[in-house]
Amino acid sequence: SQQGEEDPQALSIQEGENATMNCSYKTSINNLQWYRQNSGRGLVHLILIRSNEREKHSGRLRVTLDTSKKSSSLLITASRAADTASYFCATLTGNQFYFGTGTSLTVIP
Amino acid sequence: KAGVTQTPRYLIKTRGQQVTLSCSPISGHRSVSWYQQTPGQGLQFLFEYFSETQRNKGNFPGRFSGRQFSNSRSEMNVSTLELGDSALYLCASTGTEGSNEQFFGPGTRLTVL
Repeated sequence: SQQGEEDPQALSIQEGENATMNCSYKTSINNLQWYRQNSGRGLVHLILIRSNEREKHSGRLRVTLDTSKKSSSLLITASRAADTASYFCATLTGNQFYFGTGTSLTVIP
Repeated sequence: KAGVTQTPRYLIKTRGQQVTLSCSPISGHRSVSWYQQTPGQGLQFLFEYFSETQRNKGNFPGRFSGRQFSNSRSEMNVSTLELGDSALYLCASTGTEGSNEQFFGPGTRLTVL
């Protein structure tokens, strides 16, 4: 399977703290994306990082990519209760997307 | 711009029946992908259609099929339903070349009894 793995599977933090989740994948990629999913609903695109980029920021989100280790991390700073959701990484190889297993984030008010 | 819509939102079927799910992509998007999401297997890619042609296919049995119409709307069909087909089925559309962001619909929750 080319599906990525995310770590940790679940994360619980206090509001205001930072949350870091990691993604590892198996094949070479065109780009890597992070998505958020609120319980039982569709996924929402958060950020995309291309294979020739090492770091990208968007608001409170910071994504890093290490293609030599085939890994990426998503940092959410100053977390809010509304950030409670599942987060997935997705890699684009050719024309196909492969999603990770997801990290379930709970932000406690 | 309207988002991706999926119908129906919820569906209950019994084993052996067949089901058709529908997805309308964002206007102008020509690529539609389907995913199956279950607690045990996560998000699994089913297939992708682009301009009415299946461009990519995941590792699912032939009971799972799809098609895309000239207006880019897509349907997926599952025949001879099994209990293990119970899942959230998500459809996503992708915009023009150079934009790899996928826009997801709210999903169809299928329960097979």
